[in-house]
Amino acid sequence: NAGVTQTPKFRVLKTGQSMTLLCAQDMNHEYMYWYRQDPGMGLRLIHYSVGEGTTAKGEVPDGYNVSRLKKQNFLLGLESAAPSQTSVYFCASSPPWDTQYFGPGTRLTVL
Amino acid sequence: GDSVTQMEGPVTLSEEAFLTINCTYTATGYPSLFWYVQYPGEGLQLLLKATKADDKGSNKGFEATYRKETTSFHLEKGSVQVSDSAVYFCALRTQTGANNLFFGTGTRLTVIP
Repeated sequence: NAGVTQTPKFRVLKTGQSMTLLCAQDMNHEYMYWYRQDPGMGLRLIHYSVGEGTTAKGEVPDGYNVSRLKKQNFLLGLESAAPSQTSVYFCASSPPWDTQYFGPGTRLTVL
Repeated sequence: GDSVTQMEGPVTLSEEAFLTINCTYTATGYPSLFWYVQYPGEGLQLLLKATKADDKGSNKGFEATYRKETTSFHLEKGSVQVSDSAVYFCALRTQTGANNLFFGTGTRLTVIP
């Protein structure tokens, strides 16, 4: 039982490049989330999903897209990376209205 | 809007000292309140939670009481250990939305032997 895993752990991009972050969970949770963590700002919700095939915007969705084609996976995409997207990205999953379980994070640097 | 204000750090304590990390919140209705802990290089882990007024959450010697009259959820521990060194986040979940959490900015605790 791995819980929530994230791929990759580290990535460096140049401005304008694209990439996809993968989140996978093996707990059969309905809900999944993407957060970003920046110094002095805590975690902020980017997008979330309440079930396979559904997605919704969080607090800071601009510049990101997501997809939830399978219940266990939640993908976060950056179509054209910007330095302002340098951050640590955390994925989480939960049953409906229950405790969120977090992955170990992906550290992304955009030059 | 909904928000959490958390005591700024960093906090440095000697082993066995008493710990308090303040957290206050602004929310409509009756939110649930959480403390998460992040150890170096890891993701966040739930430390404790409280879902209604006057509830006390506790875990690993940490405690926090949901005080609606002061809109607070302060984290306390009577005797900290070096292994408690981490970043602590206060968070709230409102009754609307989809189980979304609003986090404070985090407080870094360092415990020295």
